[in-house]
Amino acid sequence: EAGVTQFPSHSVIEKGQTVTLRCDPISGHDNLYWYRRVMGKEIKFLLHFVKESKQDESGMPNNRFLAERTGGTYSTLKVQPAELEDSGVYFCASSQDPGGVYFGPGTRLTVL
Amino acid sequence: AQSVTQPDIHITVSEGASLELRCNYSYGATPYLFWYVQSPGQGLQLLLKYFSGDTLVQGIKGFEAEFKRSQSSFNLRKPSVHWSDAAEYFCAVARNQAGTALIFGKGTTLSVSS
Repeated sequence: EAGVTQFPSHSVIEKGQTVTLRCDPISGHDNLYWYRRVMGKEIKFLLHFVKESKQDESGMPNNRFLAERTGGTYSTLKVQPAELEDSGVYFCASSQDPGGVYFGPGTRLTVL
Repeated sequence: AQSVTQPDIHITVSEGASLELRCNYSYGATPYLFWYVQSPGQGLQLLLKYFSGDTLVQGIKGFEAEFKRSQSSFNLRKPSVHWSDAAEYFCAVARNQAGTALIFGKGTTLSVSS
């Protein structure tokens, strides 16, 4: 069974540009999460989808971040416009309640 | 508010020696607790989880953790460390009883010396 996959693995963009990160959860997992780890800090929750609906987006830092989950399958996280402080590793995860949460390898975003 | 504390930022253990990584949590109800490991260049891998029942939980790769409610702790242990265990370890607690959305500690980096 395939795990959670994320694309791209790395992205380097300039301040003010737009970046879109993609996540494909484990097949059949209704719950999809986005997390972020800024350098030197802990991994922080961004938001949670149940199927295509946003269950909890309390961790989204501001309105420059937009997450979508088309048809309850894959998800995208768009940052527009990107700022320097957005640099970090963005993790996607999926689960079936109340099972373990399984993480993808992450996308390392660098904003110059 | 829920929180997780991993008091040790970095630990070095000799290969073959035992290991204990500390984790303390703050949570009002019975917590769902997790340990994850991140090896260099890899994503987070679930080592083990505690939801209820037996307070000693067995995980993958020979790891175990013990839930101690009285101490608000969920320490990770391994009797004999291998060089391949060198990685960063994260303790996490679920934000709610549905087991969704995790709060992580800052992580403990484990180095293994020969």
